[in-house]
Amino acid sequence: NAGVTQTPKFQVLKTGQSMTLQCAQDMNHNSMYWYRQDPGMGLRLIYYSASEGTTDKGEVPNGYNVSRLNKREFSLRLESAAPSQTSVYFCASRPLPYNEQFFGPGTRLTVL
Amino acid sequence: ELKVEQNPLFLSMQEGKNYTIYCNYSTTSDRLYWYRQDPGKSLESLFVLLSNGAVKQEGRLMASLDTKARLSTLHITAAVHDLSATYFCAVEPNRDDKIIFGKGTRLHILP
Repeated sequence: NAGVTQTPKFQVLKTGQSMTLQCAQDMNHNSMYWYRQDPGMGLRLIYYSASEGTTDKGEVPNGYNVSRLNKREFSLRLESAAPSQTSVYFCASRPLPYNEQFFGPGTRLTVL
Repeated sequence: ELKVEQNPLFLSMQEGKNYTIYCNYSTTSDRLYWYRQDPGKSLESLFVLLSNGAVKQEGRLMASLDTKARLSTLHITAAVHDLSATYFCAVEPNRDDKIIFGKGTRLHILP
């Protein structure tokens, strides 16, 4: 099992460019999450998906869109990147409620 | 809106000492999680606490949950350098899968 995988690992964008961060899990988990981590801010929830076909906003959804393509994949899209979106992005999944989350290795994004 | 507060945010301590990290949250919840993050790495699960009074222990770490006080503690006994990391608590307030993290406690244990 690869667990939770994220691509790319690193990315540099210019302001206004768009990109999609990919996340996939091979553990047959129902729930998937996107967080961003900034120094001194902990992890902040961007969007989450409790099951295939559903998505919900988290704490900081502005400037992002998500797609739960199927049970395995949950992508995060930045339509017009801004320097404030420079961060480390983590994807996570978990099988059911009452379970811990499993995290991917992260994507380090820099927006110039 | 749920707020999750950790104290302290930074802790430097000597090996062999005991200390406690606190996690307070603002709304009712009986599901709380603790994670560890090493520098430049991802997060790994430490404890899952699912009821009032729950206590879990692993090595020198012990976590507890008091849902009435909306408080969880992570106690470190006889700290060793290998426990240096950032520790996060996370709270699940409702039954809709939303999970909110605290800002983390950066623990630095001096040899």
